[in-house]
Amino acid sequence: GQNIDQPTEMTATEGAIVQINCTYQTSGFNGLFWYQQHAGEAPTFLSYNVLDGLEEKGRFSSFLSRSKGYSYLLLKELQMKDSASYLCAVVDSNYQLIWGAGTKLIIKP
Amino acid sequence: NAGVTQTPKFRVLKTGQSMTLLCAQDMNHEYMYWYRQDPGMGLRLIYYSASEGTTDKGEVPNGYNVSRLKKQNFLLGLESAAPSQTSVYFCASSYDNSGANVLTFGAGSRLTVL
Repeated sequence: GQNIDQPTEMTATEGAIVQINCTYQTSGFNGLFWYQQHAGEAPTFLSYNVLDGLEEKGRFSSFLSRSKGYSYLLLKELQMKDSASYLCAVVDSNYQLIWGAGTKLIIKP
Repeated sequence: NAGVTQTPKFRVLKTGQSMTLLCAQDMNHEYMYWYRQDPGMGLRLIYYSASEGTTDKGEVPNGYNVSRLKKQNFLLGLESAAPSQTSVYFCASSYDNSGANVLTFGAGSRLTVL
């Protein structure tokens, strides 16, 4: 079966750095997405990786290793507004999105 | 820009009642999707539509029906609601279905079935 694993919850301090991991086992691979979802709101696009390596976008970076079936989202200089759930999703061989359950990130002052 | 608009935002139903959730997008996207989101689970695809007049089943289609009579609208129907259909429903749209295809989501519709 297809599976996406993420930690259920993480806590970090304002101003710090946090890394949210995502491991996947899917039938084929055509890319990996990270979405941010604030409580009670819609998911919004953060990043897309299809090749190995690190993609940096401001305070957020996303890394992919296809051989290890692994990705992480790195958030730097954490702000209170970064408190949200972070969803990892993989595009499989049929171009269907397989979603992880999400990681709830709690930021403390 | 409105993006993707869902109505209603909240609804309480009794078991056996029927209802329709409406999704509208103004981005001229070809693809539209209905997902449900439940605690501790990833988003699960109910149905999707690749173009006006076509629909396809997703991972969890049982108990639902859909229609896409106009390109900008995608309706999700529950003919006889069950408590297991208590969930938050998200509509989404995208330009195409390529690997790099980014979804734009609506704000969600919270449905409770008693």
